Amino acid sequence: DTEVTQTPKHLVMGMTNKKSLKCEQHMGHRAMYWYKQKAKKPPELMFVYSYEKLSINESVPSRFSPECPNSSLLNLHLHALQPEDSALYLCASTLGPPNTEAFFGQGTRLTVV
Amino acid sequence: GENVEQHPSTLSVQEGDSAVIKCTYSDSASNYFPWYKQELGKRPQLIIDIRSNVGEKKDQRIAVTLNKTAKHFSLHITETQPEDSAVYFCAHPPIKAAGNKLTFGGGTRVLVKP
Repeated sequence: DTEVTQTPKHLVMGMTNKKSLKCEQHMGHRAMYWYKQKAKKPPELMFVYSYEKLSINESVPSRFSPECPNSSLLNLHLHALQPEDSALYLCASTLGPPNTEAFFGQGTRLTVV
Repeated sequence: GENVEQHPSTLSVQEGDSAVIKCTYSDSASNYFPWYKQELGKRPQLIIDIRSNVGEKKDQRIAVTLNKTAKHFSLHITETQPEDSAVYFCAHPPIKAAGNKLTFGGGTRVLVKP
């Protein structure tokens, strides 16, 4: 299994809603990443978990809250988002340090209304 | 990305011609140089990578070259086909930075015209 699976594929939420994005991999990878990607831009790093511990937070607003319940799962909890948070949210994983292939999920297309 | 600069941002080529994308980096300690391809509406996927102990690597129509002296690495696509139309990203993950920071170059949008 060389897949990273993200759910849902599409999400429309209001600015007062609370929702969660989910990411799962069963490759035994110990580093997992959340990225935000706007149209015609590269993936922008948000958070990194290494061995289930948050190792990088790229000064992301607190309305985004990551969680890593175990080595296979990564969540991104969303609360009180703004329309400018609408984007493609990508999850990725690497075996260990990022000097190996990164596997990406297909992304969640988020629209905040 | 903050540790790698990618050029050009867009590239239009005639089918059958070659395409070259270049990335310049600053961290000499890091030894891994990957290239990712993202087709429209799809996830980024690794297409080729190279480590600093070699200068060139080929896989069919794609190749990556590394110039450690000048601190740049390039993606070469020969005999381009319409399915090569996509956005290509380079990366140069740091070794020394704590926390597994994986960031990308600004991307190159390649359009192969039939």
